[in-house]
Amino acid sequence: EPEVTQTPSHQVTQMGQEVILRCVPISNHLYFYWYRQILGQKVEFLVSFYNNEISEKSEIFDDQFSVERPDGSNFTLKIRSTKLEDSAMYFCASRMEGLPYNEQFFGPGTRLTVL
Amino acid sequence: QKEVEQNSGPLSVPEGAIASLNCTYSDRGSQSFFWYRQYSGKSPELIMFIYSNGDKEDGRFTAQLNKASQYVSLLIRDSQPSDSATYLCAPYSGAGSYQLTFGKGTKLSVIP
Repeated sequence: EPEVTQTPSHQVTQMGQEVILRCVPISNHLYFYWYRQILGQKVEFLVSFYNNEISEKSEIFDDQFSVERPDGSNFTLKIRSTKLEDSAMYFCASRMEGLPYNEQFFGPGTRLTVL
Repeated sequence: QKEVEQNSGPLSVPEGAIASLNCTYSDRGSQSFFWYRQYSGKSPELIMFIYSNGDKEDGRFTAQLNKASQYVSLLIRDSQPSDSATYLCAPYSGAGSYQLTFGKGTKLSVIP
């Protein structure tokens, strides 16, 4: 069964360092998303990506964040200068185009720890 | 600002009982609603989708939607210990890029 994959599963970094979180969405999906979940808090939308551009972003997604689809399969989230408060689980999701009730499939997540 | 309110729980029910999970939302433009289940340390997984007023049943799960009251619920019949998880309500307006706005979730504990 197709699934969204994410690497690494756990990333530890020093404050101020750049990190890149990687995702491989399901191959025939066209919408891609990043969400984050700070420990004990709700899952929060960061950004959506469609047709090789950002379609929507939340106020969390500031200039420190960027997304890219560098090839036909990968979808990345870059944090340029990490802060302690960026420590969270980051989930990638993808969905097919079409009907509004198409399911978003989530990857297993990358746990980011900023020291 | 879209707000989704859920009782954070924990909600404890004995095995075999019915668990009732509730969600209210602020955005009257919300057209459809997802219920996701999230086990501790794992990613959300879809349980149910509902977009029409009334009930929708899928196995042991029943979703109920009342758009006039801006209320959606999930009933789990014959609760099992494996149902112990956090249940997330996520409406969306059906416009834009279909991103989900999650509530904080209700933590369900099914006691054997």
